Amino acid sequence: QSALTQPASVSGSPGQSITISCSGTSSDVGAYNYVSWYQQHPGKAPKLMTYDVTNRPSGVSNRFSGSKSGNTASLTISGLQAEDEADYYCCSYTRSDTLVFGGGTKLTVL
Amino acid sequence: EVQLVESGGGLVQPGGSLRLSCVASGFPFNYYWMHWVRQVPGKGLVWVSRINSAGITTSHADSVKGRFTISRDNARNTLYLQMNSLRVEDTAVYYCARGNYGDFQFDSWGQGTLVTVSS
Repeated sequence: QSALTQPASVSGSPGQSITISCSGTSSDVGAYNYVSWYQQHPGKAPKLMTYDVTNRPSGVSNRFSGSKSGNTASLTISGLQAEDEADYYCCSYTRSDTLVFGGGTKLTVL
Repeated sequence: EVQLVESGGGLVQPGGSLRLSCVASGFPFNYYWMHWVRQVPGKGLVWVSRINSAGITTSHADSVKGRFTISRDNARNTLYLQMNSLRVEDTAVYYCARGNYGDFQFDSWGQGTLVTVSS
């Protein structure tokens, strides 16, 4: 199972919006709505930011939103804040009854 | 408060074995599927294994199939990962994570335990 494809890095200024893409196949992202996004700060455990493509867990800011079109999922962060600077990973369930992560995207807030 | 605490990591030689444990608290452990996810320091997250709430069905990534075994003891609120025939490329921080929202999304994570495979 190959990793989902994410851009290595994205950047934006405070207050701006950015979108991170996550490209998969018809056997993973395109097959199920079990697509989730995780935020990871250096030295910390990952944190769930969105699940089931578009849903946010309790306590996660509504500045974070997920979407999907075909085999590609996306995470949009609006009103960028300095604390959003972190690594972001997408993850999807697959037809092989496994899970696969994206390679990760480093978000820099300029 | 949900807590997951991993232990059992350390230095092991190639070909050796290690068993990781993850003690859960703050939630009904026997209701949830559980997963192991690993991360080479400075690299990305990689899913390793999962087990259903009853401990009956499991699934493993191809890279560890036949070498790693996931199991659980619901009476002890503990998740395990038995790792055999370890390779240098298994060196990573291993996280246990709770599956939720359909079992395949990770809403709680432990702090991780470092496994180093080296001669």
